[in-house]
Amino acid sequence: AQSVTQLDSHVSVSEGTPVLLRCNYSSSYSPSLFWYVQHPNKGLQLLLKYTSAATLVKGINGFEAEFKKSETSFHLTKPSAHMSDAAEYFCVVSDATRYGQNFVFGPGTRLSVLP
Amino acid sequence: DAGVTQSPTHLIKTRGQQVTLRCSPKSGHDTVSWYQQALGQGPQFIFQYYEEEERQRGNFPDRFSGHQFPNYSSELNVNALLLGDSALYLCASSWGTDRAYNEQFFGPGTRLTVL
Repeated sequence: AQSVTQLDSHVSVSEGTPVLLRCNYSSSYSPSLFWYVQHPNKGLQLLLKYTSAATLVKGINGFEAEFKKSETSFHLTKPSAHMSDAAEYFCVVSDATRYGQNFVFGPGTRLSVLP
Repeated sequence: DAGVTQSPTHLIKTRGQQVTLRCSPKSGHDTVSWYQQALGQGPQFIFQYYEEEERQRGNFPDRFSGHQFPNYSSELNVNALLLGDSALYLCASSWGTDRAYNEQFFGPGTRLTVL
């Protein structure tokens, strides 16, 4: 069975400083991994995804994530936080069987950006 | 392209009642997945529909049922509502079910309140 751990339920940074949101996963297969963002009263939006092509993945709005198989991690980073980055972030592990695609969400990390 | 649409936006029901939520997938998508997101938690997988059949199911009781129509739209039905069913219900669409790297596109959700 797959699972996702997001090590911090809440991260607070100052505007212009780096962001690090941590994600560790457990999967029996070679998984695909995603980061989604959810702004208040809005739907989930894909930031980036890892599909075994390149271990460093670039996403939208300046976000990046690095897949480290040895550490079973997929941490999300951004060099400089912006006020508009304040939101809930979810790490997702995905695999597919003959029954269908299985998407498992982590519990989420709430990012606060201070002026 | 309107993306994934859900109706209604909000719904208030009382315990014991039944509710039906609706979802139209993104154009070109043939797979619909439903998730329950309780306040402050990550989305939990309910079930996935493909070719008008339920392909996978999460750990939810039989009170939760669904349907997919020939035009790929879908309904989620919940019978005998409990207070604990109060949540944001998210619909996601994707193309096919046999690739772990397929992105799921999410609708804005239906906020269900059970009194």
